[in-house]
Amino acid sequence: GENVEQHPSTLSVQEGDSAVIKCTYSDSASNYFPWYKQELGKRPQLIIDIRSNVGEKKDQRIAVTLNKTAKHFSLHITETQPEDSAVYFCAASTDNYGQNFVFGPGTRLSVLP
Amino acid sequence: EAQVTQNPRYLITVTGKKLTVTCSQNMNHEYMSWYRQDPGLGLRQIYYSMNVEVTDKGDVPEGYKVSRKEKRNFPLILESPSPNQTSLYFCASSLSPPGLATFLDSGELFFGEGSRLTVL
Repeated sequence: GENVEQHPSTLSVQEGDSAVIKCTYSDSASNYFPWYKQELGKRPQLIIDIRSNVGEKKDQRIAVTLNKTAKHFSLHITETQPEDSAVYFCAASTDNYGQNFVFGPGTRLSVLP
Repeated sequence: EAQVTQNPRYLITVTGKKLTVTCSQNMNHEYMSWYRQDPGLGLRQIYYSMNVEVTDKGDVPEGYKVSRKEKRNFPLILESPSPNQTSLYFCASSLSPPGLATFLDSGELFFGEGSRLTVL
């Protein structure tokens, strides 16, 4: 089955700096790669996603890039703000009905004022 | 308000005492799933359901059961809880399975608020 690795497990940046979180996946059939943000004590929420037919997607300060050949994708946050502090989870999924939707172990991002 | 509701939010129980965590969504979503969240392990899928009466195992199904008798409800059943099932549980739903999203549906999972279970 699918295996998703995520690095780093913790990341501290100064406010205004950029943050990058990287994920690798094992199943070459995976075609959907979402990122979820979980603030302390809250539920995970989708922040951005990308499909295999797209190499990059951007939404304001957040962008995701995908390298299908290398089987890795990354989350980029620019001009970080304290409210970006949270745990971020990547995930990978195939189009097999509900199967192989696997989350990475998460990255705890701390934005220092 | 569109939402996924879980109950109970917090529960302390003892080994072997059967319990059920309920999950209900009001968005007419076809797909529902259960996850457990443990430190350093992320969110691991327990069971998922494509539609009424259609359920399947995720990555960590041992010790759990589910049912989907109605579209809106997807209860998680622990027949004989053990301490290694102490965890934070999330129910989630989406209009279609995440990997099968279409132009009209992103495949976004909507999570409940979580149920923290402690088994002594």
